[in-house]
Amino acid sequence: TQLLEQSPQFLSIQEGENLTVYCNSSSVFSSLQWYRQEPGEGPVLLVTVVTGGEVKKLKRLTFQFGDARKDSSLHITAAQPGDTGLYLCAGEASGTYKYIFGTGTRLKVLA
Amino acid sequence: DVKVTQSSRYLVKRTGEKVFLECVQDMDHENMFWYRQDPGLGLRLIYFSYDVKMKEKGDIPEGYSVSREKKERFSLILESASTNQTSMYLCASSPFEGESATQYFGPGTRLTVL
Repeated sequence: TQLLEQSPQFLSIQEGENLTVYCNSSSVFSSLQWYRQEPGEGPVLLVTVVTGGEVKKLKRLTFQFGDARKDSSLHITAAQPGDTGLYLCAGEASGTYKYIFGTGTRLKVLA
Repeated sequence: DVKVTQSSRYLVKRTGEKVFLECVQDMDHENMFWYRQDPGLGLRLIYFSYDVKMKEKGDIPEGYSVSREKKERFSLILESASTNQTSMYLCASSPFEGESATQYFGPGTRLTVL
């Protein structure tokens, strides 16, 4: 069974700090997605990375896909309270429609 | 805007009851998914469907069945609910774009089995 481990599991930081969330697996994925989920809502897609080594930026969020397509990271610069939420990575196994979700990182940004 | 709706936000059932969770999407998506979400475990795939009347087991199908009679509707059935099925259930849909298609999620149904 493919697994995606995220670290840290919980993160509480002050507004303006930087942070990095990691998503690791021993399996290779054809693509990897990052979602954010707010209380009472379903996850919402932030980004999809497809190519090994790919880096994508979304305002203050930087996403990187590992060269071997087994891991990914999400870096947030100057975090704001609006970044608070549950961050989930999801890897797509090659040739399937199935997504393996990570264990999640719950981020709280204090004003 | 893509909309995925789930029949209930909260549901309380008793052990042994048959439970139906309904999901409807309005974007003509081919793929639909049912997940359960538990703290520290992320989302785990129960079943998915890539076409009407087609279904495939996910990682944790035991105790669940599904039905997809129409393209827009995907139902999750708990034949005989048990307390270990207390969880948040999330439905999602995605277009058939090959790899890396976006999944659109509903708001979830929090099911409690007493």
